[in-house]
Amino acid sequence: QKEVEQDPGPLSVPEGAIVSLNCTYSNSAFQYFMWYRQYSRKGPELLMYTYSSGNKEDGRFTAQVDKSSKYISLFIRDSQPSDSATYLCAMRGTGANNLFFGTGTRLTVIP
Amino acid sequence: GAGVSQSPRYKVAKRGQDVALRCDPISGHVSLFWYQQALGQGPEFLTYFQNEAQLDKSGLPSDRFFAERPEGSVSTLKIQRTQQEDSAVYLCASSHHRTSGSDHEQFFGPGTRLTVL
Repeated sequence: QKEVEQDPGPLSVPEGAIVSLNCTYSNSAFQYFMWYRQYSRKGPELLMYTYSSGNKEDGRFTAQVDKSSKYISLFIRDSQPSDSATYLCAMRGTGANNLFFGTGTRLTVIP
Repeated sequence: GAGVSQSPRYKVAKRGQDVALRCDPISGHVSLFWYQQALGQGPEFLTYFQNEAQLDKSGLPSDRFFAERPEGSVSTLKIQRTQQEDSAVYLCASSHHRTSGSDHEQFFGPGTRLTVL
C-alpha cells in the first residue's frame, strides 16, 4: 500500500464547474500538505501549501486538511480551460525534507 | 529570475549504456532533490543534498544510481548500465531553506525524459 493514495482520474468538467480533488494518506507523521499542478512535459509547480489541519484559500483555490481522517482536498471554483493539468498532492513530516506524492489526477476543463 | 534547469531534456539510451543527467538549481539554493516520475505516476524521491553533502540517498533504487553535487551548486545524476525499467522522467528540485520549515518550497525543473531501449 502506498503512503499517499490519489484517484488518477481522468476527470473532465465543463468550464465554470467546481472541481474537487482529494488524497488519503496513512502516515500520521505527515504535517505539511501541498498541492502541485503539472502541465504536460513540465515540472510540478506549487499551488497551495497547508500546515497541519485546517483550510486555506487563495483566489479560486481552497485546500482542506483533515488530519483525523488523513484526508486532504483541493477545490477549484469557476474552473477554467487553463486549469487543465495534472494535480498532485504531496506531503512530508516535520524535520523531513523529501516529499511523498500521490499519483496525480488528470483534469480537463472543457470550454 | 531563472528557475531550475535540467539537461538534456530528452535522452534515449540503449540498454547497458551509462547516462548522466544535469541539474542547475536556482542560484543560492541550499537544498537539492532528485525525483523519479514514471509514466502516469507521481514523483518518487531519490536523493537529497544540502550544499555538497548528500544527506539522504534512501530512494536510489540500486547501486547503479549515483548522484553528486561537488561544489554545492550543479548536480549530476548518473545511471550506470541502464535498464528498461529506468525509463522515466527525472526531476530535480531546489529549495532555499537549509532545514525543513513552514515555508520550505521545492522549485522543480522541467525534468529529463529518459527512454531506455
